[in-house]
Amino acid sequence: DAKTTQPNSMESNEEEPVHLPCNHSTISGTDYIHWYRQLPSQGPEYVIHGLTSNVNNRMASLAIAEDRKSSTLILHRATLRDAAVYYCILRQDSNYQLIWGAGTKLIIKP
Amino acid sequence: DAGVIQSPRHEVTEMGQEVTLRCKPISGHNSLFWYRQTMMRGLELLIYFNNNVPIDDSGMPEDRFSAKMPNASFSTLKIQPSEPRDSAVYFCASSLTSGRAGELFFGEGSRLTVL
Repeated sequence: DAKTTQPNSMESNEEEPVHLPCNHSTISGTDYIHWYRQLPSQGPEYVIHGLTSNVNNRMASLAIAEDRKSSTLILHRATLRDAAVYYCILRQDSNYQLIWGAGTKLIIKP
Repeated sequence: DAGVIQSPRHEVTEMGQEVTLRCKPISGHNSLFWYRQTMMRGLELLIYFNNNVPIDDSGMPEDRFSAKMPNASFSTLKIQPSEPRDSAVYFCASSLTSGRAGELFFGEGSRLTVL
């Protein structure tokens, strides 16, 4: 199964952009890249997903490398409410499986 | 719109007791997932239902665990008998599609403590 590698934790200042990296060197051509986040004491929450092209939504942007072996989740202006664990996940050909890693704990400093 | 609803939010029980966790998925969603989260093992998929039918229960730890989905709006996860190592947060999630692009919607979880 294709796996992802993320830093254990990152810190950022409030109201500054945050770039959360993810490596997935063994990604297959049909794997989608999904990002979820989990706020304290809550269930995971979908953030964004993409296949090849960069994607934008109201929460974040997803930049995907041309070779698809890495991606970056971009929070354009972090707030204290963005403090969470962010998971980068590849969605397998088997469709329903999400392989969850340890994620990146994002700490936002006021 | 109501999201995925789980109950109870917290459950404290003694070893050997039966525990039943409940989940109401989002109306119209045809895929339902039960996950377990612990500090040691992270998020683990226990079982996946599609159109109320269990498709993959390979993540269910052992025979003490069972899950049912009698209709499209209700699912249960039962542990009998419970053991201290079952202490975890159990999440239910639903999805409109099981395809690769399908977004999962999670409930707030049921925190189980087995003494």
